[in-house]
Amino acid sequence: AQSVTQPDIHITVSEGASLELRCNYSYGATPYLFWYVQSPGQGLQLLLKYFSGDTLVQGIKGFEAEFKRSQSSFNLRKPSVHWSDAAEYFCAVGRRDSNYQLIWGAGTKLIIKP
Amino acid sequence: DAGVIQSPRHEVTEMGQEVTLRCKPISGHDYLFWYRQTMMRGLELLIYFNNNVPIDDSGMPEDRFSAKMPNASFSTLKIQPSEPRDSAVYFCASSRTSGGITDTQYFGPGTRLTVL
Repeated sequence: AQSVTQPDIHITVSEGASLELRCNYSYGATPYLFWYVQSPGQGLQLLLKYFSGDTLVQGIKGFEAEFKRSQSSFNLRKPSVHWSDAAEYFCAVGRRDSNYQLIWGAGTKLIIKP
Repeated sequence: DAGVIQSPRHEVTEMGQEVTLRCKPISGHDYLFWYRQTMMRGLELLIYFNNNVPIDDSGMPEDRFSAKMPNASFSTLKIQPSEPRDSAVYFCASSRTSGGITDTQYFGPGTRLTVL
């Protein structure tokens, strides 16, 4: 069965430090891959997505993610975090054989230390 | 452009009461999704529509839940009767057809439902 694992429930990072959020998926073929961010009390906003081509994807707010097929991973990175990045981050996998069915990770809550 | 609009933003009701959640998708979008988010189960897809027609309702937890989309600009999710375990944040999202799952889903702010 397809699944998405975000192994870190919480991550605490100092403001200005670099960030990497992990996402691993289980799927038989190359999936569609997404990262969404949810600020407190808000809906989810798309940060970036991968479908094919260049495995390094640039997104909004200075985020990027790299698809590594050999590791079944799609980790999210940012070189320098800002206090406003404090939020919950969700990785999602879309099945190529089932339009619009997204499988969601449990989310990683990012805490920023001043 | 207005985003996805959901109402109410907060709903507190008593067990056994009917609850109706409302969603207005982004104009021009032809897919609409209803999700439920809880601490225990995370984000779950309940049902989605294409051109106002329900495509997959396999995520609807029980017969107490029903969803309708009478036109392209309005959808409802109804729970009757409501139970405390229905307490969650319910999100509506919409997207536009471009040939596949590559479409971005735009989420509303959610409705926080509390059933006492």
